[in-house]
This record gives sequence, structure tokens and C-alpha cells, in this order.
Amino acid sequence: AQSVTQLGSHVSVSEGALVLLRCNYSSSVPPYLFWYVQYPNQGLQLLLKYTSAATLVKGINGFEAEFKKSETSFHLTKPSAHMSDAAEYFCAVSSNTGNQFYFGTGTSLTVIP
Amino acid sequence: ETGVTQSPTHLIKTRGQQVTLRCSSQSGHNTVSWYQQALGQGPQFIFQYYREEENGRGNFPPRFSGLQFPNYSSELNVNALELDDSALYLCASSLAGGQPHYEQYFGPGTRLTVT
Repeated sequence: AQSVTQLGSHVSVSEGALVLLRCNYSSSVPPYLFWYVQYPNQGLQLLLKYTSAATLVKGINGFEAEFKKSETSFHLTKPSAHMSDAAEYFCAVSSNTGNQFYFGTGTSLTVIP
Repeated sequence: ETGVTQSPTHLIKTRGQQVTLRCSSQSGHNTVSWYQQALGQGPQFIFQYYREEENGRGNFPPRFSGLQFPNYSSELNVNALELDDSALYLCASSLAGGQPHYEQYFGPGTRLTVT
């Protein structure tokens, strides 16, 4: 069965600093991996997804993630944090049949002015 | 194009009661998934419906059931409510139909409180 683990439930960065949110996956087959963002009192919005086409995936709002099979990781990065990036971020993995989804416990990102 | 909508926004129920939550899919989407998100946790997959049939299920008891209608809208029913059922319930629609790489579009959720 697939699963994801997010390291660090809270991350704080200064405005303009690098954002790094960590996600490790467990899967016996090549995974389909996703990063979602959730703003307060809202649903989830897709940032980016990995579907084996390219290991470096670019998403919306300047975010990107790199799939590293050797490390079973799919960390989310952004070169320069903005105040508007403050939110909850979730890593997720889908089953190969697309009928099961597993989310991590989330990382709350705080951006300090 | 309208997005995914959910009703009601908030709901308060008493332990032992039954509740029905509703979701309208994004136009053209034939697959709906439901999630439970407890406070401070990630969403937990409840089940998925594709063309009116349950297509996948997470680790939830049978008192969690669902329906998908011909217009692809959906309901989540929970019987015999327990205090631990208090959570945000999220609905997501997609064109997945068993394809894992399709994007899911999430609604804003229904906040259920069980007292």
C-alpha cells in the first residue's frame, strides 16, 4: 500500500527565503505524487503533480518539486517565499488505479515579514 | 464553469443521529471522492464513486455510505454518528475514472460537529 510522510508539521521562513517542505513516499510501484495547498477555511488546491514524465515538476505560484527515487522523496521548494504562501501544505500519493488517495499529515508554513 | 460546491457549510448533530452531506461536481466530471479531515490532520480518503458505482474505499466502517447520481452529484451518508466523526468533510471531483494522474478539484467542505 502507498503512503506519504511529511517531515515537520510546522515550518517558518522569512519573506524572500527558500521554502523547503519535505515529503517521503512509500510505494511498491512507481507512484503518482501530488502537492496540495489549503488556505484557512478553504478546500485543497493542486500545486503540482508527478506522473513519471519528468523528475523535476514545476507548479503554480513558483513552486516546484523533484522526484528522487533513490531517496523516495518528493520535496516541495520555492526559491523566495511570499507572505501569501502562508498556508497548510499536503503531500499525497495515488494508487495506480486512481481509486485510492493517501494524504500526509500536512505542514503548516509561516512566512515571517 | 462552476466549481465543486458542497452543502451545507456547517452542521451540528447529536451522537447517534444520521447525516447527509451533498456535493455538486465540477461540470463534466464523472468521478467524485470524499475525504474526512479531522482538525490538524490530513484528509483521509473515505471512498470514490465513478459513474454511480463505488470505485474504491478507504478504511472507514460501513456506516459511511454514499451515492452518485446520473448528473454526477453525490451524497455522503453517515449513520449512528460518533463524537469522532466531527471533522471537515471534503468532496473532490475529477475525470479520473480510474486514471490516477487526473487532477482532483476540491470543494470548500462541510464542517460537521457531533455533540
